[in-house]
Amino acid sequence: KQEVTQIPAALSVPEGENLVLNCSFTDSAIYNLQWFRQDPGKGLTSLLLIQSSQREQTSGRLNASLDKSSGRSTLYIAASQPGDSATYLCAVNSGNTPLVFGKGTRLSVIA
Amino acid sequence: GAVVSQHPSWVICKSGTSVKIECRSLDFQATTMFWYRQFPKQSLMLMATSNEGSKATYEQGVEKDKFLINHASLTLSTLTVTSAHPEDSSFYICSAIDFLFSGELFFGEGSRLTVL
Repeated sequence: KQEVTQIPAALSVPEGENLVLNCSFTDSAIYNLQWFRQDPGKGLTSLLLIQSSQREQTSGRLNASLDKSSGRSTLYIAASQPGDSATYLCAVNSGNTPLVFGKGTRLSVIA
Repeated sequence: GAVVSQHPSWVICKSGTSVKIECRSLDFQATTMFWYRQFPKQSLMLMATSNEGSKATYEQGVEKDKFLINHASLTLSTLTVTSAHPEDSSFYICSAIDFLFSGELFFGEGSRLTVL
């Protein structure tokens, strides 16, 4: 059974810092991995999707990497801003089963 | 990117009534949609997988007679909370996979249900 773990559970940083969010999964046989952002009381916004054959994806200040063999993914946020404050979720798609989500990392960027 | 629309965003109802939540994929066909439930400060809990033209697949512990799911077309799935009770108050989120292109999952904005 696939399990997804996100570390840390919460993170508070000053504005401008670069930061890394971690996601690990137990079964490396995945189809893709997706990073989402959730603002309080809102749905999820897809940030980056990494297919199993890819090593990383970039979008603006965000960079997500995937090491399938070790069951790890990281989300790197450069030059953090207060508007980046949200909960970040990673989710693993193993193909025939629904996505498995981590519990998320709650990020606060302080101005 | 693809858009998934969910309606209503907020609903308050009396105990014992039924509430219907709609989930639409606006610019792609979704043969499969997922319904999640989220309690405050917790991650998403998958309730059921909705398949177009067939019965939904419910996760263990989710009452199928309580949470009725209908996936009548390739762009619409509905979740009906029947005989709602205060403990059903939660944030319900739907999602759909764009299988045709990337396999990326897109989420609706969520529906907050409060049962009085």
